[in-house]
Amino acid sequence: NAGVTQTPKFRVLKTGQSMTLLCAQDMNHEYMYWYRQDPGMGLRLIHYSVGEGTTAKGEVPDGYNVSRLKKQNFLLGLESAAPSQTSVYFCASSQRGANYGYTFGSGTRLTVV
Amino acid sequence: TQLLEQSPQFLSIQEGENLTVYCNSSSVFSSLQWYRQEPGEGPVLLVTVVTGGEVKKLKRLTFQFGDARKDSSLHITAAQPGDTGLYLCAGYSGAGSYQLTFGKGTKLSVIP
Repeated sequence: NAGVTQTPKFRVLKTGQSMTLLCAQDMNHEYMYWYRQDPGMGLRLIHYSVGEGTTAKGEVPDGYNVSRLKKQNFLLGLESAAPSQTSVYFCASSQRGANYGYTFGSGTRLTVV
Repeated sequence: TQLLEQSPQFLSIQEGENLTVYCNSSSVFSSLQWYRQEPGEGPVLLVTVVTGGEVKKLKRLTFQFGDARKDSSLHITAAQPGDTGLYLCAGYSGAGSYQLTFGKGTKLSVIP
């Protein structure tokens, strides 16, 4: 019963460093999403994918890139981290679309100093 | 841009009390979902309501979707400390939309 697994759970980066957040789901879901959650701002969509090999921009895509080379994995990359990217990042997946509800991972807390 | 406003933003009550939280929009949604998020965890789906006027019950939690499908409420009867968490509503616009619109949430604390 793994569901959606995010790695790492915590990370501290220096400004300008790069990193990749990994999201893996074992439910054979088609749709995958990356959100960031900030106090007072709620959940904001960064990028999403409607199937293997596809990606699309969400509400706040600047400074992030994504890839979905395999159906079960959705990677979020930060090429040059900035303090404004300090946040909690959540990955979610959905079987056939947003109408069927999301399964979320437990999040990655990222601090950029 | 569709927005979902949740109220109240914060709510602190004693164990055993009843409470209602609200989720309002000026836009019509095809369906609305409610999630609960505990500290350090991701949101967990509680319920989806799809029909205007629909009422769903989940033990002590009652969810209602407004007749016009623009608003929803969550009522908790006899709140328990285990109900503590962030309650999020999320709206689905309909066919052609690949994402949900989330409200900012109501942070509930139930004091023993």
